[in-house]
Amino acid sequence: GAGVSQSPSNKVTEKGKDVELRCDPISGHTALYWYRQSLGQGLEFLIYFQGNSAPDKSGLPSDRFSAERTGGSVSTLTIQRTQQEDSAVYLCASSLEGGREETQYFGPGTRLLVL
Amino acid sequence: GQQLNQSPQSMFIQEGEDVSMNCTSSSIFNTWLWYKQDPGEGPVLLIALYKAGELTSNGRLTAQFGITRKDSFLNISASIPSDVGIYFCAGRAPGTYKYIFGTGTRLKVLA
Repeated sequence: GAGVSQSPSNKVTEKGKDVELRCDPISGHTALYWYRQSLGQGLEFLIYFQGNSAPDKSGLPSDRFSAERTGGSVSTLTIQRTQQEDSAVYLCASSLEGGREETQYFGPGTRLLVL
Repeated sequence: GQQLNQSPQSMFIQEGEDVSMNCTSSSIFNTWLWYKQDPGEGPVLLIALYKAGELTSNGRLTAQFGITRKDSFLNISASIPSDVGIYFCAGRAPGTYKYIFGTGTRLKVLA
């Protein structure tokens, strides 16, 4: 596709359930980032992928959060045993190589609501 | 998580007026980015800055990388109604991969 796509666009789940969020980066982009944006707040870094490896996962808030990337392309962010405080917009971004002067392109986000 | 201090938090201005907003950090950055986010969409990059003192323009937008490397400014000249949205700064420290985002400036333009 022409841009970063994310699915689903909206997700409503019950507390305690697991959810999987998907990100399709721009074709050829080796760097991929996940961010979380709570209502009215800025973006909070979660994890960075270079290819299939994650050199920086320092932003994952707890061990209930995990992410993987396969084939250097699609990434999934998994939240286990969701809590109400997990409700937020989860944004994915990709860039060509993640280098110093690389521009990040963002997807539209997945809006997660945990009831 | 860690965030930058961005001000003002929100502003209402008249169409045609100039707008200024800024971000400050307690630590040095080697990259500053400015994004605009419309409701229901992801942020869109406006301007990227890579050198201290750098001044870069994109149409009616001008941004500067502070010489202390701890701050950045964004100016919008002659605002129009479509400038409405939330503007975010983002900075990246040397030797790191992640960007730290500001808390956002919500801009509303009155026609």
